[in-house]
Amino acid sequence: QSVLTQPPSVSAAPGQRVTISCSGSRSNIGDNSVSWYQQLPGTAPKLLIYDNDKRPSGIPDRFSGSKSGTSATLGITGLQTGDEADYYCGTWDSSLSAVFGGGTTLTVL
Amino acid sequence: EVQLVQSGAEVKKPGESLKISCTASGYRFNSYWTGWVRQMPGKGLEYMGVIYPGDSDIRYNPSFEGQVTISAVRSISTAYLQWNSLKVSDTAIYYCVRADYGGKSFDSWGHGTLVTVSS
Repeated sequence: QSVLTQPPSVSAAPGQRVTISCSGSRSNIGDNSVSWYQQLPGTAPKLLIYDNDKRPSGIPDRFSGSKSGTSATLGITGLQTGDEADYYCGTWDSSLSAVFGGGTTLTVL
Repeated sequence: EVQLVQSGAEVKKPGESLKISCTASGYRFNSYWTGWVRQMPGKGLEYMGVIYPGDSDIRYNPSFEGQVTISAVRSISTAYLQWNSLKVSDTAIYYCVRADYGGKSFDSWGHGTLVTVSS
């Protein structure tokens, strides 16, 4: 049972937009910034979004993040087949440990 | 370019000890938190803990404290994850990570070390 709650899977057609939610509590998301990670099949995770809504260098602006209260959302526009991956949200909690969501598998139909 | 190069896959028996490594390059190792994340087969990500090589401050996820030991050697920019007595349930991929952006995000990841524990 993960500390942060994500939907197990989402799907959309190429070119469409999809959102992935991440729900937590006041002690984690409520008090800390959220990051998002993409894990392509068979590879290590990669940072997509940090500080709720910022993109590291090299991450296309098709990826966006937002946070409100104790929830966060990852948005992906212009879906491509190469976006098929597992997506994880992450933050920190009051015990100074990082916590992750259980992951969401994105299928591009 | 920031790189985290991890040691190779390991196959061990229950009760054996193990130390895996992560060698950093492309940045000042002493100035960033370096940590470990576990991914059990077919499962999600679990944070284990981090070390700040500059002063050897170590912070463990309470779920892993006492089960593993995190350490680092500054002179060779290498972090370690160690077990004294492996269990079958330790079978997983272990990722080395660097924390950046105020130490709040894991901006660089190693390729992962697969540890298989089986009798």
